[in-house]
Amino acid sequence: AQKITQTQPGMFVQEKEAVTLDCTYDTSDPSYGLFWYKQPSSGEMIFLIYQGSYDQQNATEGRYSLNFQKARKSANLVISASQLGDSAMYFCAMRRNTGTASKLTFGTGTRLQVTL
Amino acid sequence: EAQVTQNPRYLITVTGKKLTVTCSQNMNHEYMSWYRQDPGLGLRQIYYSMNVEVTDKGDVPEGYKVSRKEKRNFPLILESPSPNQTSLYFCATQIRGIGGMNTEAFFGQGTRLTVV
Repeated sequence: AQKITQTQPGMFVQEKEAVTLDCTYDTSDPSYGLFWYKQPSSGEMIFLIYQGSYDQQNATEGRYSLNFQKARKSANLVISASQLGDSAMYFCAMRRNTGTASKLTFGTGTRLQVTL
Repeated sequence: EAQVTQNPRYLITVTGKKLTVTCSQNMNHEYMSWYRQDPGLGLRQIYYSMNVEVTDKGDVPEGYKVSRKEKRNFPLILESPSPNQTSLYFCATQIRGIGGMNTEAFFGQGTRLTVV
């Protein structure tokens, strides 16, 4: 069975600082994908970044980067130069790439608060 | 504009009164799923569909039904709602990528359901 663990229920960061949100996963599948989603207070789910298990390089999307350490089974999200608009709930998710490709397994989320 | 549309956005109902939450997408995606989000539990999959007339249970299917008669629509049916089904519900779609590897899920706006 797949499992995603996010151990930080809440995080604070000052504006313009960088912050790392932790995510560890557990799977026996050799091929899988890792995703991060942002959920602002308005409730919608916004896709941020993707990392494939066979990708050699860490994924980056603008201010977001994914620190992928396969041996440690971790996929931490790094947000550089935090902005007030980054205050939100962040979910790490994983999808296996065999069989049922449509299921995402989510972590419990980390609530990030950006302060002045 | 690519959209996943859920209706209604908010619903308060009484125990036992059948209800349907609709989900419609205009992206011609094969995969559609329903998730529920509860505090401290993240998002959990209820049902999914890999194509028209093909549906299967997710992790928490009890008390829910779905149907996929058309590619664009995937309604969630609660035949006899109970208070433990009070939750935030999301419909999500994905394109059928090669091996299902790197396709992110697109989410609807969410439906906040309260059963009293």
